[in-house]
Amino acid sequence: AQSVTQLDSQVPVFEEAPVELRCNYSSSVSVYLFWYVQYPNQGLQLLLKYLSGSTLVESINGFEAEFNKSQTSFHLRKPSVHISDTAEYFCAVTPRGFQKLVFGTGTRLLVSP
Amino acid sequence: GAVVSQHPSRVICKSGTSVKIECRSLDFQATTMFWYRQFPKKSLMLMATSNEGSKATYEQGVEKDKFLINHASLTLSTLTVTSAHPEDSSFYICSASWGTGTQTQYFGPGTRLLVL
Repeated sequence: AQSVTQLDSQVPVFEEAPVELRCNYSSSVSVYLFWYVQYPNQGLQLLLKYLSGSTLVESINGFEAEFNKSQTSFHLRKPSVHISDTAEYFCAVTPRGFQKLVFGTGTRLLVSP
Repeated sequence: GAVVSQHPSRVICKSGTSVKIECRSLDFQATTMFWYRQFPKKSLMLMATSNEGSKATYEQGVEKDKFLINHASLTLSTLTVTSAHPEDSSFYICSASWGTGTQTQYFGPGTRLLVL
């Protein structure tokens, strides 16, 4: 079975500051990794994913995440956040060959002026 | 691309009635659709997985007779909450994916159900 741990339930940060949202996973098999973002009263939007290849993956809005197999982590980072980045961020994994996503409990990113 | 819609976005019903929620893939054929439930300030819980033309596979602890799932076509899946009770009030989200090689799920905007 797989599990995902998002250590921080809430991360407050000032606009234009860097941020890191932590994600650790547990799995006995190889996995695919995802970050989803959820804005208030909306569904989830795929932010970025790691399937294979380069361990550093980027999104179109400046976020990046690095797959670290030895530390079983997939932390999400952004060098300079905007007010509009305020949202709930979910890390998720699925075993390779399967489509069942296992989600972490989410991290609320609060960006203030 | 990869847009998934849900209808209705919000529904209020009386206890004991049934509610149907639709999930549609607008620009792709979804071979697999998923239904999740999200409790306030908590993560998403997978309720069931459905493949077009097949019976849904329910997760442990989810009552299949209470949460009826139909995946009649490659673009439509429905979730019917039968004999709804206040404890069924929640945010229900569907997702869809296609093919056998990709693992990416695309999520709908969710349906907020309130049972009075």
